[in-house]
Formats: sequence, structure tokens, C-alpha cells
Amino acid sequence: TQLLEQSPQFLSIQEGENLTVYCNSSSVFSSLQWYRQEPGEGPVLLVTVVTGGEVKKLKRLTFQFGDARKDSSLHITAAQPGDTGLYLCAGVTNAGKSTFGDGTTLTVKP
Amino acid sequence: DAGVTQSPTHLIKTRGQQVTLRCSPKSGHDTVSWYQQALGQGPQFIFQYYEEEERQRGNFPDRFSGHQFPNYSSELNVNALLLGDSALYLCASSLATGEAFFGQGTRLTVV
Repeated sequence: TQLLEQSPQFLSIQEGENLTVYCNSSSVFSSLQWYRQEPGEGPVLLVTVVTGGEVKKLKRLTFQFGDARKDSSLHITAAQPGDTGLYLCAGVTNAGKSTFGDGTTLTVKP
Repeated sequence: DAGVTQSPTHLIKTRGQQVTLRCSPKSGHDTVSWYQQALGQGPQFIFQYYEEEERQRGNFPDRFSGHQFPNYSSELNVNALLLGDSALYLCASSLATGEAFFGQGTRLTVV
């Protein structure tokens, strides 16, 4: 069974602070995806990383895929209240099956 | 483009009953995956349908079954409901193994 562990489980910060959340697995995935989910909604894809060591930037969000393609991190610079939500990582196998972590619940207070 | 639509949005059922949830994929998508998301957890993969056949299955009992129609829409059926089946059921559509788009989900409560 492929498991993804996300940390921290909960994070509450002030507007303007920086933060990093982590996604770790003992398994190798063909790609890893990060999603953001708001209450009452389905997850929305933020980014897909494919190559070991890959770094992708999406405005204030920076995503990194570990060299061994087993772990990933999401760094948010100068967090804003609109960043509040559940951040999920998902490892994707060659067959296209996604395994999700349990997420990091981020609260950014104004 | 309406995106992925799921119905109903909310549902309350009694233990032992059966339930059918429906999903219409994003226009042009041929693959539908179903997930169960319990409160405070990430989505758990139930199964995936492609060309009207179950292509992959997660670790869920046979009480969970599905179907995909020629127009690519899909149904998730759960028999003999248990209290533990209470969750948000998410449908995601994609083109083959491309980016998956999720619907808003169906919130199922079993009492």
C-alpha cells in the first residue's frame, strides 16, 4: 500500500508570514500533484511535478519534488487570508491512480 | 462548459439502505474516478471507469459498485449502508491519465 504523509496537519499563521508544508512517502511515484480544497468544494489542482528535483513556481507558491520522487514540499511566501484551505498532495502511478495524503489545513489570519 | 457535476449534493440514508450517486464528466473527458473523503482525511480512491469498464479499484468492499454509460457519465452504488460510509463522495474526470477535474461532491450521511 502506498501511503503519503503530510505535515503539519494543521497550521495557523498571520497574514504576511511564510510557510512550508511537506508530503512524504516511502514509495516512488511517476508524478506528484498538489491540490487546494475549500469547504464544500472538490479539490482543485494547483500543480503537477514530474521530474526529480523539479521546482515549479505559481505566483507566491513554490513546489519542489524530491530528487528520489518520493517527497515534495509546498512553500507559500507572504501568506494571505485567501490562501486559507486544505492543501492535499497526491502521488500518481504510471497507471494514473492517485493516492492522496490527509492534507494540511491552513488558516491565515488577517 | 459545466465542468464535473455531481448529484445529489446532499443525501441522508438509513443503515442497510442502498444509494446511487451520479456524475457527469467534464466535456470531452472519457475517464471517471470515484473517491471517498471522510471528515478530516484526504480522498480515498474507490475505482476508475474507462470505456464503460472498471479499470482500477481501490481497497473498498464489493458493496461499492459502479457503472459508466456510453456518454461517459457514471454512477456509484453502495449497498447495505453502514454508519462508516458517511462521507463526501467525489467524482473526478480526466482524459486518459491527464489532469483530473473534481466535482463538488455528494455529502452522504448514514443514520
